[in-house]
Amino acid sequence: DAKTTQPPSMDCAEGRAANLPCNHSTISGNEYVYWYRQIHSQGPQYIIHGLKNNETNEMASLIITEDRKSSTLILPHATLRDTAVYYCIVRVAQGGSEKLVFGKGMKLTVNP
Amino acid sequence: DSGVTQTPKHLITATGQRVTLRCSPRSGDLSVYWYQQSLDQGLQFLIQYYNGEERAKGNILERFSAQQFPDLHSELNLSSLELGDSALYFCASSRISRGAGNTIYFGEGSWLTVV
Repeated sequence: DAKTTQPPSMDCAEGRAANLPCNHSTISGNEYVYWYRQIHSQGPQYIIHGLKNNETNEMASLIITEDRKSSTLILPHATLRDTAVYYCIVRVAQGGSEKLVFGKGMKLTVNP
Repeated sequence: DSGVTQTPKHLITATGQRVTLRCSPRSGDLSVYWYQQSLDQGLQFLIQYYNGEERAKGNILERFSAQQFPDLHSELNLSSLELGDSALYFCASSRISRGAGNTIYFGEGSWLTVV
């Protein structure tokens, strides 16, 4: 019951910007978009989240379209260590809880 | 390092047995989540506790149970184990149960192999 759609895979050259797209056309007005990544079988790593405005932190930038139906995660200078499965997630509010519902994610391969 | 600690890191046990996975949340976090990741199922939400009380339930089998103790650590109990229970089990924690900026941080997982 994931509410997002991502391409299954993407390649990127080392040192280039990696732009990872995500569609969330049914997102509600108060739902946040979160991005996580998972390297091999390590625990999912939080990257960034946003509601309406574009966000930037030390790891990445998040660009959300004005209609909020899609977003793009930007890794400005991809390195080999950025090879991972990236998950775009819309937080699901249920009762007093907001859990993360993971989809299949997108495998990003950074090539030398 | 997310600050979420899980033990054991690896566990091999036989079918029919029972195991307990332990999780210590980040300092100050009141909410604990459990997820299961198997090869064919991806990351599946199992259950969430907030300050000792069950807050949300996902695809958790009746053979599985969890609890959160007064010191906020949590345990996931898996009983009558089957081969299909072999998976990575992740614990995650957050400051509160819901709300803006309520980032959830994951531990490194416990590998369970049932033979």
